[in-house]
Amino acid sequence: QSVLTQPPSVSGAPGQRVTISCTGSSSNIGAGYDVHWYQKLPGTAPKLLIYDNNNRPSGVPDRFSGSKSGTSASLAITGLQAEDEADYYCHSYDSSLSGVVFGGGTKLTVL
Amino acid sequence: QVQLQESGPGLMKPSQTLSLTCSVSGGSISSGGYYWSWIRQHPGKGLEWIGYIYYSGSTFYNPSLRSRLSISVDTSKNQFSLKLSSVTAADTAVYYCARGFGESFDYWGPGTLVTVSS
Repeated sequence: QSVLTQPPSVSGAPGQRVTISCTGSSSNIGAGYDVHWYQKLPGTAPKLLIYDNNNRPSGVPDRFSGSKSGTSASLAITGLQAEDEADYYCHSYDSSLSGVVFGGGTKLTVL
Repeated sequence: QVQLQESGPGLMKPSQTLSLTCSVSGGSISSGGYYWSWIRQHPGKGLEWIGYIYYSGSTFYNPSLRSRLSISVDTSKNQFSLKLSSVTAADTAVYYCARGFGESFDYWGPGTLVTVSS
């Protein structure tokens, strides 16, 4: 049971827009800690996609965007492409647990 | 470009101590503003934070692993290491090392699979 809750799976057709939610609580996202997102392809290391809620590292397409409100955050992917098919994880800090916490991950399928 | 590479035993027996090393290239582990982390992924599961260390030696551990865990840094070799004692099958996972910057992990190693089996 992950501290941050993500849907196990989402799907969309090429060109569509999908969103992945990350729901926390008052001890993590709701306490003001930033949310970060990673993309993980099978057999590869996670790649930082969004940091500090809504910032993209250099090289990440602007099709990827992040937002945060209250105790939740979201990752949006527009213009879905086959190469976006991967697992996506959110990450934040939890003051009650005194440590880093991850979401359980969401598998994105491009139909 | 910073690169990280994990190295470790691959296969271990229960009750042994797991030792992993992360070699950092393309940047100094002593650079201020960064911290050096271990994260693992159990088979078919999500990511679990293990702990991290600053080049100064200050450490922060996952409370659930703290009693078995030690993370150290060797600035002369530009490496940091993990030791996890009394391993069980529950410690079977892919172990990643990563660089922390701000609150996120911006560079990751490719990961190394550690299997604990008798």
